[in-house]
Amino acid sequence: DAGVTQSPTHLIKTRGQQVTLRCSPKSGHDTVSWYQQALGQGPQFIFQYYEEEERQRGNFPDRFSGHQFPNYSSELNVNALLLGDSALYLCASSLGTVAMNTEAFFGQGTRLTVV
Amino acid sequence: GNSVTQMEGPVTLSEEAFLTINCTYTATGYPSLFWYVQYPGEGLQLLLKATKADDKGSNKGFEATYRKETTSFHLEKGSVQVSDSAVYFCALPWGKLQFGAGTQVVVTP
Repeated sequence: DAGVTQSPTHLIKTRGQQVTLRCSPKSGHDTVSWYQQALGQGPQFIFQYYEEEERQRGNFPDRFSGHQFPNYSSELNVNALLLGDSALYLCASSLGTVAMNTEAFFGQGTRLTVV
Repeated sequence: GNSVTQMEGPVTLSEEAFLTINCTYTATGYPSLFWYVQYPGEGLQLLLKATKADDKGSNKGFEATYRKETTSFHLEKGSVQVSDSAVYFCALPWGKLQFGAGTQVVVTP
C-alpha cells in the first residue's frame, strides 16, 4: 500500500517564476492538505482540498493556489515566487476533512529553493 | 482559538537517558492529540496518538498520556538511542492540523 507520494523531491526556481508541486494521497484517502515548513519551524497550514474544492485556507496570499483531481491527487501552485517561499512543502492526506479524531499521513515533502 | 505549545529545544541527551518533551494545548471540545516525528531531511511521521482523556498512546518506546485536567500531552521515553535524534511535534486536529513549534532532540553516544 503506497503512502503519500510527492514530486519532485527537490526544486530550484528563480524569483518571479511559477512552480507546481504534486501529491498523490494514501490509498483510500480523499482529502489532501498542504503545509509549508520553513527551516527550523513547524508546518504552517496552506489549504485543504476535499471533493475537488478548497475547503479551508490558512493565512497565505492568493499566489498560492491548488487543485484536486477526480482521483484525489492534488497540485499546489505558487506564482511570482519570492525568496521567502523557500521551504519544505508537505502534503498530508486523510479520510475526510480533518476533524477531532482524524489521522493525517504525510509525504516526504518537496524542498523548494528560490534563488 | 485552538493552539499547541511545546517546550523549546534543542534538547541534548546522552544515550540511555530519559526524555521528556512538554506539550500543552488549548482546544474547544476534546480532540485527539498527536505526536509527529521528523527525522533529518524527511517528512513527518505519526509517532503516537491518543483519542480521549486518560488515553495513553505508545510506539517505539515513546509514551504520552492525554491529561484533560492539565491540558497536557507530554512525550516520554525511558532510554533514548542515537536514532531518536529528530524533531518532535505535538499537534491537534481542528479543521486542520495545528502544530507546535517543534522540539529538536539530539542524542549523543
